[in-house]
Amino acid sequence: NAGVTQTPKFQVLKTGQSMTLQCAQDMNHNSMYWYRQDPGMGLRLIYYSASEGTTDKGEVPNGYNVSRLNKREFSLRLESAAPSQTSVYFCASRRDRRQPQHFGDGTRLSIL
Amino acid sequence: AQKITQTQPGMFVQEKEAVTLDCTYDTSDPSYGLFWYKQPSSGEMIFLIYQGSYDQQNATEGRYSLNFQKARKSANLVISASQLGDSAMYFCAMREDNTGNQFYFGTGTSLTVIP
Repeated sequence: NAGVTQTPKFQVLKTGQSMTLQCAQDMNHNSMYWYRQDPGMGLRLIYYSASEGTTDKGEVPNGYNVSRLNKREFSLRLESAAPSQTSVYFCASRRDRRQPQHFGDGTRLSIL
Repeated sequence: AQKITQTQPGMFVQEKEAVTLDCTYDTSDPSYGLFWYKQPSSGEMIFLIYQGSYDQQNATEGRYSLNFQKARKSANLVISASQLGDSAMYFCAMREDNTGNQFYFGTGTSLTVIP
């Protein structure tokens, strides 16, 4: 019962380094999402993909890129990491409009 | 303007008592959905309950119920018979159908259940 799998779970980067956060879901969901969670801010949407082949910006897209590789996988890339991108990142997926999002366990990212 | 407002940063409730967590929302879309999630200290996001804007009845799921007042744009979560395991952060979220697939989350309420 994997659901939504995120890798890695923890990562420490230096300013200016790049990395890709991976997300895969095995529930045949159409929509996938990337959020960041900061203390006192709740979850803020970075990018989402309504279906395979489409991606759209959310509330806080600057500094990030995404790829919807196929229906299962949705990756988030930081091209040049900045300390302001230190956060917990959640991937989520959803089957259709009335269904809730299913979340991965999160990636805790620290940028020094 | 905030799409979702949760005005209670922290709440305390006695074990076995009921507690209401407040959520107000802002939308001009006539079709939308409201969700509540629980985030325990372990960090995962757990879906609790859903209410659609056209649903006639308030949603209920076990000890959770959603007090949906459409005219007031509020969607408060009621937890009955609180248990120690209910101690967690609780997030209200909204999906607007005309914006497709975007979700908006509130800043959350931290609930502590006192034995």
